[in-house]
Amino acid sequence: GEDVEQSLFLSVREGDSSVINCTYTDSSSTYLYWYKQEPGAGLQLLTYIFSNMDMKQDQRLTVLLNKKDKHLSLRIADTQTGDSAIYFCAETHNTDKLIFGTGTRLQVFP
Amino acid sequence: EAQVTQNPRYLITVTGKKLTVTCSQNMNHEYMSWYRQDPGLGLRQIYYSMNVEVTDKGDVPEGYKVSRKEKRNFPLILESPSPNQTSLYFCASSLHLAGGYEQYFGPGTRLTVT
Repeated sequence: GEDVEQSLFLSVREGDSSVINCTYTDSSSTYLYWYKQEPGAGLQLLTYIFSNMDMKQDQRLTVLLNKKDKHLSLRIADTQTGDSAIYFCAETHNTDKLIFGTGTRLQVFP
Repeated sequence: EAQVTQNPRYLITVTGKKLTVTCSQNMNHEYMSWYRQDPGLGLRQIYYSMNVEVTDKGDVPEGYKVSRKEKRNFPLILESPSPNQTSLYFCASSLHLAGGYEQYFGPGTRLTVT
């Protein structure tokens, strides 16, 4: 079945870049997403990439997609303490149903 | 303001006492769904609805019911809650587009069943 995997934790120093990785198994995924969840809050869509793209940049965020390896990454440049949150990778295949990863907790320290 | 609202935000109840978590969206979205979030498991879909009176099971539907009598509302019903349904629940809505372009999530309902 469909599966999306992420590492559970990432710790970075303020000002450094963060790279959060995700692997998925469904080769027919059409959209891949990154969501951010701050403590006590719902999920906020950060960015998404269509499966026929290999890179998307949006201000401090860069998404890289390696379709051959089924690997997705989210790079946050100049990471700030406000970026501390749980980041979820998710994918869909021609439906509105999202398959989520387990989430990566990003901790930013001064 | 476009939003998805859920009520209550926090609920502590006892085993077997029926409860309903409400979800409402003001964006005229066709597609709505419920997810539960558990540590180490991410979010898993419970039920979804493609439109009024059209609902279907997600990945973890056991112990839950839903209804979609109006487009804006999609309540989640636990007829006889059990402790393994202690979780954080999210409602979401989106326009029904191939690929599911963007889903809007509610703020979450934290349920504890003792």
